[in-house]
Amino acid sequence: DTAVSQTPKYLVTQMGNDKSIKCEQNLGHDTMYWYKQDSKKFLKIMFSYNNKELIINETVPNRFSPKSPDKAHLNLHINSLELGDSAVYFCASSTRERQTEAFFGQGTRLTVV
Amino acid sequence: QQQVKQSPQSLIVQKGGISIINCAYENTAFDYFPWYQQFPGKGPALLIAIRPDVSEKKEGRFTISFNKSAKQFSLHIMDSQPGDSATYFCAASIGGNNRLAFGKGNQVVVIP
Repeated sequence: DTAVSQTPKYLVTQMGNDKSIKCEQNLGHDTMYWYKQDSKKFLKIMFSYNNKELIINETVPNRFSPKSPDKAHLNLHINSLELGDSAVYFCASSTRERQTEAFFGQGTRLTVV
Repeated sequence: QQQVKQSPQSLIVQKGGISIINCAYENTAFDYFPWYQQFPGKGPALLIAIRPDVSEKKEGRFTISFNKSAKQFSLHIMDSQPGDSATYFCAASIGGNNRLAFGKGNQVVVIP
């Protein structure tokens, strides 16, 4: 069984569109994250949620809006997509007590054309 | 500002050899140093981690060496195998803080 699952795995879309990436974890964790990995493989945290509450919101354009309907889900909605948004987006989860031991999903490769 | 810096950017090692990846950090408040391994098309996975109260930690063929005074730590892969070919990320965090600062990653290629 997949621990942290993201959908879709690949997403190709045109500039200006709005898209969502879904994430679910079945590990019983209470903290979830979104990371962005650019073309040079640099991993940077975007958001962190604990028990559905936003904890970290890095300097991310407000076109990106995370939504956590419950502890097991953290979705990422992106409005007005731009070419520079092309990247691999990773969802991750952990317990609050062991936040540095994150479990990552397989990633969503977003390509904006 | 990158808080954790890795070197070399890429590494090619013969099967059976030792792969060594180095990482340097600036923030002396960091107290947890993990290495993550990422295979193509997959998410990073925690490989091994160390806290600054020890100078070395070994798990199987993987060893972290930690030098607190130099603010450096390194990953050694002994008896490297083609299956070890991956991108390796060092990271650092401050205890209780859920922000992992990742390095830029090192691509390790082990050739038969």
